[in-house]
Amino acid sequence: ILNVEQSPQSLHVQEGDSTNFTCSFPSSNFYALHWYRWETAKSPEALFVMTLNGDEKKKGRISATLNTKEGYSYLYIKGSQPEDSATYLCAFTSGTYKYIFGTGTRLKVLA
Amino acid sequence: GAVVSQHPSWVICKSGTSVKIECRSLDFQATTMFWYRQFPKQSLMLMATSNEGSKATYEQGVEKDKFLINHASLTLSTLTVTSAHPEDSSFYICSARDVDSYEQYFGPGTRLTVT
Repeated sequence: ILNVEQSPQSLHVQEGDSTNFTCSFPSSNFYALHWYRWETAKSPEALFVMTLNGDEKKKGRISATLNTKEGYSYLYIKGSQPEDSATYLCAFTSGTYKYIFGTGTRLKVLA
Repeated sequence: GAVVSQHPSWVICKSGTSVKIECRSLDFQATTMFWYRQFPKQSLMLMATSNEGSKATYEQGVEKDKFLINHASLTLSTLTVTSAHPEDSSFYICSARDVDSYEQYFGPGTRLTVT
């Protein structure tokens, strides 16, 4: 059974703080790792699709790294803002269309 | 950007009734759509893959006669929860795969409560 773990489950940070969270996935049969940002009552929004070991992607204050050999990805948010409050999901794919999701990290940024 | 809508966003129904949930890709075509379910504090779990013009493919443990899927056009898939029971109460979310880019785009989900 393929398992994707995310940690922490939730965290609260102060506005302006930087934060990061982890997604762990199977290191075998890796094809892609997806990060999504999911606000309540909205559709999950795609942040990054990562495919290459050592990949690093950036979108504004958010960046992500990928280590396929050890099976983890980090998502970083620099200078957190209240609007960054959301659940951050990662999903692993092994070459098929099937996405295997983690349970998400719920981030609350306090003003 | 690619937009996927779901309707209804929430529904409450009585035990034994059937509920239909629609998933539409608004500005792109999708030969494949996916239906997920999320129970509290759990991850999104794939239930079935909906293929336009053919039968859906169900994941292990998902009853195809209970969760009827129809994908009649390149922009619409429906999930019908038949004879719903309280244990079917969950959050159902669909995604649609763009035929050109193969990216999956998600709807906002449907909260089903069966009383």
